[in-house]
Amino acid sequence: DIQMTQSPSSLSASVGDRVTITCRASQGISNYLAWYQQKPGKVPKLLIYAASTLQSGVPSRFSGSGSGTDFTLTISSLQPEDVATYFCQKYNSAPYTFGQGTKLEIK
Amino acid sequence: QVQLVESGGGAVQPGRSLRLSCAASGFTFSSYGMHWVRQAPGKGLEWVAVIWSDGSYKYYADSVKGRFTISRDNSKNMLYMQMNSLRADDTAVYYCARDVPGANFFDYWGQGTLVTVSS
Repeated sequence: DIQMTQSPSSLSASVGDRVTITCRASQGISNYLAWYQQKPGKVPKLLIYAASTLQSGVPSRFSGSGSGTDFTLTISSLQPEDVATYFCQKYNSAPYTFGQGTKLEIK
Repeated sequence: QVQLVESGGGAVQPGRSLRLSCAASGFTFSSYGMHWVRQAPGKGLEWVAVIWSDGSYKYYADSVKGRFTISRDNSKNMLYMQMNSLRADDTAVYYCARDVPGANFFDYWGQGTLVTVSS
């Protein structure tokens, strides 16, 4: 099975910073990659699918890129409400594995 | 609006069984694949199982294969997970999630139901 590895596992940044989270697949998955945001005590929320397509209603400061095995989630200007754990997920074929998550905090 | 409401969680001893339910509303349930995803306390998300819109295809994570069974009743807009031979490492919040037609990522999630396996 394909493994999904995120880095870093945790991240602390200041408001206004540009933040980048990486997700690597152990084999190529084309662009079948989604990103989710899970705020503390809340349900995961879809941010991006097809590696770079922003889900409706998601702020434009979020963006995604990549194809094959290497993907990134970027927040162009970190806001306090972005404190959350972020997960990538592959969906090219079952099992639809998630990355282990990246916990983002405000410095 | 789309709603997914899980039920059936609780505390159970190792080796016992539990059946989770997910009531769907606000969309044409029979047109969507459905999934179970779980999250152990303080841990990440783990995909568990999928069932196609018509129930013709099911797939399970290795960690639950042979012990869990996903099913659905499109006449009742219900998704189920029968969990047998439960183990301590099955302790988690279980979410049902709707996938986007033609893809297997999730645009709507339920609030989750907690399953605790302990003696």
